[in-house]
Amino acid sequence: DAKTTQPPSMDCAEGRAANLPCNHSTISGNEYVYWYRQIHSQGPQYIIHGLKNNETNEMASLIITEDRKSSTLILPHATLRDTAVYYCIVGDPYTGTASKLTFGTGTRLQVTL
Amino acid sequence: EPEVTQTPSHQVTQMGQEVILRCVPISNHLYFYWYRQILGQKVEFLVSFYNNEISEKSEIFDDQFSVERPDGSNFTLKIRSTKLEDSAMYFCASSPTGTGDGYTFGSGTRLTVV
Repeated sequence: DAKTTQPPSMDCAEGRAANLPCNHSTISGNEYVYWYRQIHSQGPQYIIHGLKNNETNEMASLIITEDRKSSTLILPHATLRDTAVYYCIVGDPYTGTASKLTFGTGTRLQVTL
Repeated sequence: EPEVTQTPSHQVTQMGQEVILRCVPISNHLYFYWYRQILGQKVEFLVSFYNNEISEKSEIFDDQFSVERPDGSNFTLKIRSTKLEDSAMYFCASSPTGTGDGYTFGSGTRLTVV
């Protein structure tokens, strides 16, 4: 049972912002939104997570809608090295469902010159 | 930046043989995981390990699989009798909190069963 829906692929020009959407319309009150990415066949890499407030770190920004049914990961200045599959995952850290990350098919972001 | 180290990077084994995949998690992390990814498919959770015992396992993690933390630094995944369908990339991960954020994954071991 998919808890998140993401577009299968997106393109972005290098230097531009990449905005990756995620739909999680059945998210429950205690569930967080987590973003990971996988560059080629490497191990997944943690990017950012949030509950309801917008979050920013050195890698990206996470914008969560007020109703929490969707979110957007923003890479402000995409580079070729950001080409990867991006996964949006929801889970509750208090009940343990966040502990085992459940990866979907993600969005394949291609950054081009 | 601390890393999760996995060895070997690639292992080829014959069907029916036992394999042990090794991982050195980040030293102050308390939660350890194994995931696998069959070529072209999703990353799948196998097992989580905390306080020297399995805390959760998936349906994939049957009696042919086992995990162990034999000392203070290593975390191993053993497959007793490998099958062709065990061919996959196996990722080890560790986390300080087990709450979904900040997991660090290794580069993986590509297991090929022939």
